[in-house]
Amino acid sequence: DAGVIQSPRHEVTEMGQEVTLRCKPISGHNSLFWYRQTMMRGLELLIYFNNNVPIDDSGMPEDRFSAKMPNASFSTLKIQPSEPRDSAVYFCASSRASGQDTQYFGPGTRLTVL
Amino acid sequence: GENVEQHPSTLSVQEGDSAVIKCTYSDSASNYFPWYKQELGKGPQLIIDIRSNVGEKKDQRIAVTLNKTAKHFSLHITETQPEDSAVYFCAARKGAQKLVFGQGTRLTINP
Repeated sequence: DAGVIQSPRHEVTEMGQEVTLRCKPISGHNSLFWYRQTMMRGLELLIYFNNNVPIDDSGMPEDRFSAKMPNASFSTLKIQPSEPRDSAVYFCASSRASGQDTQYFGPGTRLTVL
Repeated sequence: GENVEQHPSTLSVQEGDSAVIKCTYSDSASNYFPWYKQELGKGPQLIIDIRSNVGEKKDQRIAVTLNKTAKHFSLHITETQPEDSAVYFCAARKGAQKLVFGQGTRLTINP
């Protein structure tokens, strides 16, 4: 199994630009999670999906952030417009059961907003 | 909601010695406690987990203990090796709710 796949691995953009992060969960997993990691705040859950449906988006910082999961094998996290304080490593994770199984993390996308 | 505190934030041990990292949680109903290892430039990887119906679990050089009364759990690494150097995160979860992570411990193994 290839594990959770994220792209791009690194993204550098200018303030105000739209950023789209992509994730392919492990095949057969039906829960998908987006996390943000910073030195100051550690690992924070932004949103998670179960069977492609958003279940908890209470961690999404503000309306500039949006996430979609159009099918079981693909999800996007979009930031529009981006700001320097969005600079962080964004992880996608997936699990088999509805939040009760082990979460497997992808390699992350390091985002830098100038 | 759940709150997880992790200590120490950094830990340095001599190769071959043991390392212990401790976490406390606030919600007595939490029933799942995983430990993740994160190497530089990579995502967190599960190394061991324990559920509330068990007090201890061991996997080779790694063990986790859980004290439900005191609401704390610990990671024990014996016979440490240079490749054990990484950042370790504990987490807690109640049922199907979200994982809440500790702030992480940077473990350095000195040769």
